[in-house]
Amino acid sequence: SQQGEEDPQALSIQEGENATMNCSYKTSINNLQWYRQNSGRGLVHLILIRSNEREKHSGRLRVTLDTSKKSSSLLITASRAADTASYFCATAGANAGGTSYGKLTFGQGTILTVHP
Amino acid sequence: DTAVSQTPKYLVTQMGNDKSIKCEQNLGHDTMYWYKQDSKKFLKIMFSYNNKELIINETVPNRFSPKSPDKAHLNLHINSLELGDSAVYFCASRGLAAREQYFGPGTRLTVT
Repeated sequence: SQQGEEDPQALSIQEGENATMNCSYKTSINNLQWYRQNSGRGLVHLILIRSNEREKHSGRLRVTLDTSKKSSSLLITASRAADTASYFCATAGANAGGTSYGKLTFGQGTILTVHP
Repeated sequence: DTAVSQTPKYLVTQMGNDKSIKCEQNLGHDTMYWYKQDSKKFLKIMFSYNNKELIINETVPNRFSPKSPDKAHLNLHINSLELGDSAVYFCASRGLAAREQYFGPGTRLTVT
């Protein structure tokens, strides 16, 4: 199976609720990134967490990383209808930082639907 | 002021044809990528160029040939198109000191 597998595959919530998506990966990483893809559009970078970090915040986003379990989670608090999108985690391998060229391996994503 | 642009947005063609997709970025980035997203939304890297030099070449049929005339452009040429080539192709770029990638809007290729 592939690096960066997300669960759930689909998540449906009401506006104002929190949404949690999980990502598991298989090999050592330099960093893990989360991207959002609105329907019919390209991916947009949301947040990056390095392998030596455990938690990171950006606005309504909170990302955690547990390298011992090779897993990460993305929490979106107080969700809005505009958060409806697919969310992907992507991993950069342990030798993919610094002067390397940033090869990312993506999971299949979680489709989030936020109902107004 | 589009950062990463791709043309065309949609491409419908018949099996056996040859087609090209173009990508341009105005971010001054040194590294550019091509990804393929299949019908299940799985996104897989195909190629990467750094300053016009090929640095990542995943297991992709040699019918696919990237070309980078300068560091702001990365084109993808596909020969002898097959049904299985139908997908959305994304171009992305990355700055030298950065980790995140900036994606274009995608090109939906449909092979009939």
